[in-house]
Amino acid sequence: GNSVTQMEGPVTLSEEAFLTINCTYTATGYPSLFWYVQYPGEGLQLLLKATKADDKGSNKGFEATYRKETTSFHLEKGSVQVSDSAVYFCTPMNTGFQKLVFGTGTRLLVSP
Amino acid sequence: KAGVTQTPRYLIKTRGQQVTLSCSPISGHRSVSWYQQTPGQGLQFLFEYFSETQRNKGNFPGRFSGRQFSNSRSEMNVSTLELGDSALYLCASSPDRYEQYFGPGTRLTVT
Repeated sequence: GNSVTQMEGPVTLSEEAFLTINCTYTATGYPSLFWYVQYPGEGLQLLLKATKADDKGSNKGFEATYRKETTSFHLEKGSVQVSDSAVYFCTPMNTGFQKLVFGTGTRLLVSP
Repeated sequence: KAGVTQTPRYLIKTRGQQVTLSCSPISGHRSVSWYQQTPGQGLQFLFEYFSETQRNKGNFPGRFSGRQFSNSRSEMNVSTLELGDSALYLCASSPDRYEQYFGPGTRLTVT
């Protein structure tokens, strides 16, 4: 089955710093890749996705590129804000339903 | 479109009791999945319903059950509650059994 490895964190940054959260995965076939974000006290929100190799997903200043050769989908943002403090989850998913497989998630703390 | 809604948002129950959680998916979404989130185990898949049929099931005991109604609304039931069932229960709906949209969750505390 699919699996995900993420840096657990917390990742602690100052406002306006550059962010990278690493994600590597194992999956059968050619999955789509998703990043979800969970703000304190809330459910998960879909942040961005990429459906095939070399695709770049982007949303709210966040970007991630589907790297098939390294089975990675690292999340980046050029300048983080305090409001980005949350837990970030990377997950692969194949077409046709499969349960989403989540890693531990990476907690990001951004200080003013 | 309104998002996924879950009721209640917070619940406190006693060991041995049973509980029912409700999820209303996004309009037009026929797939509903349930996940349990705990600090120790992280996010774990419980089950998925599509067109009123359970299509997939995670590794949880039979005390955890669910159902889906003809309007795609889903309920999850946990019987004989244990302390370890304390968790955030998340529901997700999908238009295509692929991309999933999560609700805010129901936080269950078992005392």
